[in-house]
Amino acid sequence: AQTVTQSQPEMSVQEAETVTLSCTYDTSESDYYLFWYKQPPSRQMILVIRQEAYKQQNATENRFSVNFQKAAKSFSLKISDSQLGDAAMYFCAYRSAGTGNQFYFGTGTSLTVIP
Amino acid sequence: EAGVVQSPRYKIIEKKQPVAFWCNPISGHNTLYWYRQNLGQGPELLIRYENEEAVDDSQLPKDRFSAERLKGVDSTLKIQPAELGDSAVYLCASSLAPQVYEQYFGPGTRLTVT
Repeated sequence: AQTVTQSQPEMSVQEAETVTLSCTYDTSESDYYLFWYKQPPSRQMILVIRQEAYKQQNATENRFSVNFQKAAKSFSLKISDSQLGDAAMYFCAYRSAGTGNQFYFGTGTSLTVIP
Repeated sequence: EAGVVQSPRYKIIEKKQPVAFWCNPISGHNTLYWYRQNLGQGPELLIRYENEEAVDDSQLPKDRFSAERLKGVDSTLKIQPAELGDSAVYLCASSLAPQVYEQYFGPGTRLTVT
């Protein structure tokens, strides 16, 4: 099974500043998808951003962007202009390409935004 | 559009008691997932349904856990009997089809076994 590692259990950032959350994964596959999910204290997980492994261009969604390094098997999330509403658990996830393959989640990073 | 609905949101039971969780996926979503999320961990898949068929239940502890998805819509996850180690958040998610990579999660059921 694939493994996803998030080495930062907790991170904090000042409001309006930028923070980067780290994620590495282990796979022998060449085609897959990577995701960042946000889980606020209410527990409903929300997709933040996704990256297809075959795409060289890093995905961007408003203030959220990723740094995808396929050879290094690294997939970090950058949050710019941090807002209080960004405070949450962030999970990195991996999914093989192909029909019905399951997701593998990391252990999460708890992000605190300091006013 | 309504999201994934789960009930109850919280459940406290004594060990050896049965418990059931209910999930209603987003309308039209054929794929349904049940995950267990232990404290401080990421979700781990228990079972995946394509319509009414369980296509991946390799992580489901079948001696005490069971699930069903009658008519390929709502799903129920049951534990009987519950053990202390079953305390966790049980998440339901759905997606439009297995080849569609985006999942939508419900709010989860927090189970406490005493």
